[in-house]
Amino acid sequence: GAGVSQSPRYKVAKRGQDVALRCDPISGHVSLFWYQQALGQGPEFLTYFQNEAQLDKSGLPSDRFFAERPEGSVSTLKIQRTQKEDSAVYLCASSHGTFEPYEQYFGPGTRLTVT
Amino acid sequence: DAKTTQPPSMDCAEGRAANLPCNHSTISGNEYVYWYRQIHSQGPQYIIHGLKNNETNEMASLIITEDRKSSTLILPHATLRDTAVYYCIVCLGCDKIIFGKGTRLHILP
Repeated sequence: GAGVSQSPRYKVAKRGQDVALRCDPISGHVSLFWYQQALGQGPEFLTYFQNEAQLDKSGLPSDRFFAERPEGSVSTLKIQRTQKEDSAVYLCASSHGTFEPYEQYFGPGTRLTVT
Repeated sequence: DAKTTQPPSMDCAEGRAANLPCNHSTISGNEYVYWYRQIHSQGPQYIIHGLKNNETNEMASLIITEDRKSSTLILPHATLRDTAVYYCIVCLGCDKIIFGKGTRLHILP
């Protein structure tokens, strides 16, 4: 079956531009997560949705980062006025439930390069 | 900070069993142990999880010590495609996975 998909796979942005990264979770998955992975590091949590509700956004590094999931399925991570330090792979994951135990299924990521 | 400690890297000969250790001495009674791996240029992939008992699936086996302070992930017959970074994670209500640095496993031909 279809897994988590993300688009675009690669994005190059000039410093100061706004970008929008899309995540299509596995159909029917209630929970959706965004992570940021810098080169050579493990993924770091950004934010979490349960259906359309954003339950945790403690990992968003600044107010330039904004995520939404208006209909409880597709999610968009938006970065305003991109900076060089935003260059990273942005990973999206989804999960079927909200009760332990449950595994997260990850997409391939979007590699963002800010020049 | 991650609640787990893993060796930074390990080697294993192709066809042999790869045994990846993980220490989680501060684990609480109802926290699960999860293992994920990340092959180069891909997103992380769920492998297995356990609470108290040993677990096995088509990918791997998970051995958890009786005191639950450590565990071992076993890939029974490692192949070159198993070369990846392996993450041991302990959490309850895993809405925020903390990955740590993981173990870089090299499978040697």
